[in-house]
Amino acid sequence: DQQVKQNSPSLSVQEGRISILNCDYTNSMFDYFLWYKKYPAEGPTFLISISSIKDKNEDGRFTVFLNKSAKHLSLHIVPSQPGDSAVYFCAASGTGTASKLTFGTGTRLQVTL
Amino acid sequence: ETGVTQSPTHLIKTRGQQVTLRCSSQSGHNTVSWYQQALGQGPQFIFQYYREEENGRGNFPPRFSGLQFPNYSSELNVNALELDDSALYLCASRLDRVLSYNEQFFGPGTRLTVL
Repeated sequence: DQQVKQNSPSLSVQEGRISILNCDYTNSMFDYFLWYKKYPAEGPTFLISISSIKDKNEDGRFTVFLNKSAKHLSLHIVPSQPGDSAVYFCAASGTGTASKLTFGTGTRLQVTL
Repeated sequence: ETGVTQSPTHLIKTRGQQVTLRCSSQSGHNTVSWYQQALGQGPQFIFQYYREEENGRGNFPPRFSGLQFPNYSSELNVNALELDDSALYLCASRLDRVLSYNEQFFGPGTRLTVL
């Protein structure tokens, strides 16, 4: 049972444009959501997070939006840069299980020139 | 500040063997988690250690076991290896289990191949 889903395995975006990566979850007990970026031969790197009490969090070019009623979150990257090309994982955790992250299957983003 | 390190980088074993993977946490971090990432999948939580005790476990059989040492380094042991155990094994550390949520820092992983 996949509790965190990333339905788009891959996404290609032109440099300078907006990248939108989507994530859906099914477990209502999740209250903290994170995005990780992963390059080949490296471990996942934390990008940005959001608590369930918020609906938006920004950090530079990265913004995460949370729609609790739809159990949906998205990561916006503006403007996209070639160095953003990587696999992006959405992850979620529940109260009292802060170290147990449930990950989606990832979306491979390619930013083209 | 030293990040999370893991050894070895790659490992090849045969079915039925036993394997030990090692992880050194980021400096000052006392909580470590282990994840298994199969090809084409996201990382799956195996278990977490806090102050040398297992504290939380995912849906993995008992042949997956671990240790955390006083210096907060950690080991993942897998007995009776099966072909499906072939995966990237990731270690992640965080500052303190009891504090409000803080991010986990991942190591580069150990690629295990079981033949």
